[in-house]
Amino acid sequence: DSGVTQTPKHLITATGQRVTLRCSPRSGDLSVYWYQQSLDQGLQFLIQYYNGEERAKGNILERFSAQQFPDLHSELNLSSLELGDSALYFCASSIRGGNGETQYFGPGTRLLVL
Amino acid sequence: GEDVEQSLFLSVREGDSSVINCTYTDSSSTYLYWYKQEPGAGLQLLTYIFSNMDMKQDQRLTVLLNKKDKHLSLRIADTQTGDSAIYFCAESGGYSSASKIIFGSGTRLSIRP
Repeated sequence: DSGVTQTPKHLITATGQRVTLRCSPRSGDLSVYWYQQSLDQGLQFLIQYYNGEERAKGNILERFSAQQFPDLHSELNLSSLELGDSALYFCASSIRGGNGETQYFGPGTRLLVL
Repeated sequence: GEDVEQSLFLSVREGDSSVINCTYTDSSSTYLYWYKQEPGAGLQLLTYIFSNMDMKQDQRLTVLLNKKDKHLSLRIADTQTGDSAIYFCAESGGYSSASKIIFGSGTRLSIRP
């Protein structure tokens, strides 16, 4: 158990819909990262937040957005969903979000878009 | 851009050593990682190595880094059935983005009795 929690574990929705994935980092960690794991794209970094501010951006689509709240939990919002958005979405956290810091991963949210 | 490559499959006999290889392209990488993903689970950090090190050993795991060839390997001694998983090589600390981790496609390790 990494100490990072994600809800929900599974999500099934339809194309065109909007969903919100939630992540709570390990106690004391200030930085949160979001990753997408799919069969065709592998594991890709989406976005990172540190203490409420966006720190780094990866291959995140414009239809996707995220935020980190004052209590340090984070939400990833996926809108206008397409079939290709079906994937496992991981959240990870680290202490300060610095270069090369160890990131601890949550169990993931499995999203299925029908 | 940055890229991390690893072979997709490896099959070893129980009790033998497993060696999983990885190559990366970003010469400015500072940290190199090995993560393990068991079926239906998230990623678990196994070990990591700083780019100024050649080798790191942690119980049954040995990481070797050849920085000149940008080659990283993970050796698992006395491989057990519980080692069956997908192993991801990853790198971070390159110039392009401070804390972004780039992952390889993962090597699926299967254990033969």
